[in-house]
Amino acid sequence: AQTVTQSQPEMSVQEAETVTLSCTYDTSENNYYLFWYKQPPSRQMILVIRQEAYKQQNATENRFSVNFQKAAKSFSLKISDSQLGDTAMYFCAFMRASNTGKLIFGQGTTLQVKP
Amino acid sequence: SAVISQKPSRDICQRGTSLTIQCQVDSQVTMMFWYRQQPGQSLTLIATANQGSEATYESGFVIDKFPISRPNLTFSTLTVSNMSPEDSSIYLCSVAYGGAGDTQYFGPGTRLTVL
Repeated sequence: AQTVTQSQPEMSVQEAETVTLSCTYDTSENNYYLFWYKQPPSRQMILVIRQEAYKQQNATENRFSVNFQKAAKSFSLKISDSQLGDTAMYFCAFMRASNTGKLIFGQGTTLQVKP
Repeated sequence: SAVISQKPSRDICQRGTSLTIQCQVDSQVTMMFWYRQQPGQSLTLIATANQGSEATYESGFVIDKFPISRPNLTFSTLTVSNMSPEDSSIYLCSVAYGGAGDTQYFGPGTRLTVL
């Protein structure tokens, strides 16, 4: 069974600085997808970034980028130039490249951006 | 991305009663899912809502407790039956336009409190 682990329950960063959130996963699959979702206090789940396992290039989306290490089964999220609006719970998620569409989520990391 | 709405946004219910949550998408989608997020926890997939057929439930979730309907490609309902305080959670629907490997977009969630 696949598992996703986020070892940092809480983190904080000063506005305009850079922060990295960690995520590791366990799977025997070779083809899969990885995601970072953000959940602000409004509880709306918002997609931050997506990575296909077959792609060696790390995904980027404006201030958000990932460091995908397939052999180490690691998928960290880097937020550059942190903004107050980045304050939220961040979830790492795994999906097999099959026909089920099931997302398996980590426990989440609460990020506080301080002014 | 999809515009997804859920009704109700929140509710407080008495134990032993049932609540039906609606999920509406602004365009046709291939796949619809229902997740549960217990207080302070991560998201867990309840079931995949299949259009025109019975939902596919994850281990630990049964149709008698969480009946699901999906009459068309833009609408689904989840019923939480014979509720107990342990059912107090946020219930979220998600959709994917393409196949199972496609990115999932989430609705705003329904916060349910059972007294």
